[in-house]
Amino acid sequence: AQSVTQPDARVTVSEGASLQLRCKYSYFGTPYLFWYVQYPRQGLQLLLKYYPGDPVVQGVNGFEAEFSKSNSSFHLRKASVHWSDWAVYFCAVSMGTGGYKVVFGSGTRLLVSP
Amino acid sequence: EAAVTQSPRSKVAVTGGKVTLSCHQTNNHDYMYWYRQDTGHGLRLIHYSYVADSTEKGDIPDGYKASRPSQENFSLILELASLSQTAVYFCASSEGESSDYTFGSGTRLLVI
Repeated sequence: AQSVTQPDARVTVSEGASLQLRCKYSYFGTPYLFWYVQYPRQGLQLLLKYYPGDPVVQGVNGFEAEFSKSNSSFHLRKASVHWSDWAVYFCAVSMGTGGYKVVFGSGTRLLVSP
Repeated sequence: EAAVTQSPRSKVAVTGGKVTLSCHQTNNHDYMYWYRQDTGHGLRLIHYSYVADSTEKGDIPDGYKASRPSQENFSLILELASLSQTAVYFCASSEGESSDYTFGSGTRLLVI
């Protein structure tokens, strides 16, 4: 069964600094991968998604992620963090065709310091 | 604008009582889902549906029932609410089984 691991429960970054949030997945096949963001007291919103193709995908608000089959990873990056990026970020994996489930990681809380 | 709307936004329920959480989507999506979110556990799938009048069990269905009377509406029912069901509940919809999800704003349920 597929699974997703976000090894960092909490990450603190200074405003203007670069960011990387880690995501490792476990799945024998070609995964579909997603990053979602949850702002305080809101539902999850899609940041970006990877369907098989270009390994680097661009998302909203300057976020991007890179798929690595060899490392089973899908890390999220941003060149310069803004205070409004303070949120919880979830990585998710889908089995692609033939499966009903999207499995979510436990989330990484991003704190932005001034 | 396409959306997923949940009601109520929050609810306090008494142990042993019946609770119904409602979800309405205007996305014209076939798939709908109910998740619960607990601190430190991310999202866990309770029930889902891919067609009206049919529901499927997710990973943690015990203590919950679901109802999909139409493509647009999907309800989660707690027949006998328990303290352990205190959580935030999210409804979501998707076009296909591997498509990205559109989430509602969540329902905060407190069982006392």
